[in-house]
Amino acid sequence: NAGVTQTPKFRVLKTGQSMTLLCAQDMNHEYMYWYRQDPGMGLRLIHYSVGEGTTAKGEVPDGYNVSRLKKQNFLLGLESAAPSQTSVYFCASSWRNEMWLRVAKNIQYFGAGTRLSVL
Amino acid sequence: TQLLEQSPQFLSIQEGENLTVYCNSSSVFSSLQWYRQEPGEGPVLLVTVVTGGEVKKLKRLTFQFGDARKDSSLHITAAQPGDTGLYLCAGYKETSGSRLTFGEGTQLTVNP
Repeated sequence: NAGVTQTPKFRVLKTGQSMTLLCAQDMNHEYMYWYRQDPGMGLRLIHYSVGEGTTAKGEVPDGYNVSRLKKQNFLLGLESAAPSQTSVYFCASSWRNEMWLRVAKNIQYFGAGTRLSVL
Repeated sequence: TQLLEQSPQFLSIQEGENLTVYCNSSSVFSSLQWYRQEPGEGPVLLVTVVTGGEVKKLKRLTFQFGDARKDSSLHITAAQPGDTGLYLCAGYKETSGSRLTFGEGTQLTVNP
């Protein structure tokens, strides 16, 4: 009954440090996404994956890398954190099934978020 | 460039009042979704509208998709403090694969 789980929930980094955010989903979804949420800017897509072993750039990919080695996990990495990366990060997942794409129109299920501060 | 414009950005009302939130675009979408996000949580889907002119009701919430599928509205009747949250619209285009385009959100506060 977990759905989409993100770890950690909070993190404080110093400029230049690296870290990895983990997203795990137990719904057997093909598609997974990483977003960042900043005040007044809604959700902006960083990277996404349409299946195990695949990744693609979203709207704001610079400064981030991702990996999808297992279907249920999607990792977001910051190699050298910058203050501009202070944000709340959300992971989401959705079905790939063609029937569901037409009927459910890519409904996304979100984790609870990771609040990251870069000092 | 934000493809989906939401208005208003902030809304503070008293319990029992009615309100409408708008989501507008110059682009046509295959469908439009509305999510609600509470503090410390991720967005949760409220409804998906698919057909131009479609109206869906969810208790006191009424969602409408514009005839041209470029805009949508969310109307809440007799708002309650439990309606407080961030409301996000998200558009889906089949040409964009699996991606959604989100609006900036409307932060609603309903005061008792």
